[in-house]
Amino acid sequence: GNSVTQMEGPVTLSEEAFLTINCTYTATGYPSLFWYVQYPGEGLQLLLKATKADDKGSNKGFEATYRKETTSFHLEKGSVQVSDSAVYFCALFPYSGAGSYQLTFGKGTKLSVIP
Amino acid sequence: DARVTQTPRDKVTEMGQEVTMRCQPILGHNTVFWYRQTMMQGLELLAYFRNRAPLDDSGMPKDRFSAEMPDATLATLKIQPSEPRDSAVYFCASGLGGGSPYGYTFGSGTRLTVV
Repeated sequence: GNSVTQMEGPVTLSEEAFLTINCTYTATGYPSLFWYVQYPGEGLQLLLKATKADDKGSNKGFEATYRKETTSFHLEKGSVQVSDSAVYFCALFPYSGAGSYQLTFGKGTKLSVIP
Repeated sequence: DARVTQTPRDKVTEMGQEVTMRCQPILGHNTVFWYRQTMMQGLELLAYFRNRAPLDDSGMPKDRFSAEMPDATLATLKIQPSEPRDSAVYFCASGLGGGSPYGYTFGSGTRLTVV
């Protein structure tokens, strides 16, 4: 079946530090890949997405590149801010022929950015 | 921005009582999900609907949980009788489904506490 593995948290960084959150996946075919962010007390929000190999998703200074050869979709940001403190979820949507419509989520990585 | 609306935002109830959570998906979205989030288990998919028909409710304890979509603008999740272990945040999400979705939109959740 499909699965998503994220690095264990929590991750604590100083403001302006470089961020990487690793995500690898297992799936058949060519799934679509997503990063969602959950701020305290809120629901999940779509941060960025990539729908085919070598696509780069980007939003709010965050980037992730769909690497088919390594089955990875690592999240990066060059300079984090305190406002980036949240839980980040990597997710997978199966390819169109799979007959499923559900997202498979990783367990989430909590990021804390300190001033 | 279009939103997924969940009510109530918070619910405290006594063990054994019936709890009903409601979700208004984004107009035009034909795929609706119910997730449960706890510290221990993370995000768990309980059930999902496509075009109002239940496609998968294997994540739901059948003896006490039920999910329905009486019409395209309302999804409900009911727990009867509720137990302390049901305490969690319940999220509804909606989207267009299809082969490569442009993300699913999550509501802000219902925080359920069963005492």
